[in-house]
Amino acid sequence: EPEVTQTPSHQVTQMGQEVILRCVPISNHLYFYWYRQILGQKVEFLVSFYNNEISEKSEIFDDQFSVERPDGSNFTLKIRSTKLEDSAMYFCASSEGGPRSEKLFFGSGTQLSVL
Amino acid sequence: AQTVTQSQPEMSVQEAETVTLSCTYDTSESNYYLFWYKQPPSRQMILVIRQEAYKQQNATENRFSVNFQKAAKSFSLKISDSQLGDTAMYFCAFRGGAQKLVFGQGTRLTINP
Repeated sequence: EPEVTQTPSHQVTQMGQEVILRCVPISNHLYFYWYRQILGQKVEFLVSFYNNEISEKSEIFDDQFSVERPDGSNFTLKIRSTKLEDSAMYFCASSEGGPRSEKLFFGSGTQLSVL
Repeated sequence: AQTVTQSQPEMSVQEAETVTLSCTYDTSESNYYLFWYKQPPSRQMILVIRQEAYKQQNATENRFSVNFQKAAKSFSLKISDSQLGDTAMYFCAFRGGAQKLVFGQGTRLTINP
């Protein structure tokens, strides 16, 4: 079965540093998402991306965050200046169809630790 | 805004027993999807089952089934003949006209041998 692939699985960074989390969605999927989960809490939506632009974002997704699809396969999340509270598991997801038609496939996540 | 509530933070049952996890949600939309996701200790998010709101018939996937009560905005998950591998966090999620999934707080389920 096709998979969403995320790298790295773990990322440790110093506060104030920039990090880029990488995702390879399933090849024929058109909708891409980032979610995050702070340890012990629920999964929270960050951003959705379709047709090379952000289609929806949450309050969490402030100016410190950006997403990009630099080529035909990768989908990245950049945090410009990390804060301690950015420590979380970050999940990438993709879906083939629109919001009502398809389930989301999640990657295995990147655990980000900000020290 | 949609909200999803899971009122059981933790549950524990013996292997082979049946267990039901509760979920309620709030929305003004009439067409939407509901999901149960399983998150084992590896923290990967695994889709367990999906229900379309316009379908009256409850979804079933092998040992997993749902009780969808649209009027009551309730979406419970029943796991029959529970197995040790079912031990995980279970998240209920809602997806309406917006593209995002809205998750509940999760229920930590432990299956004891």
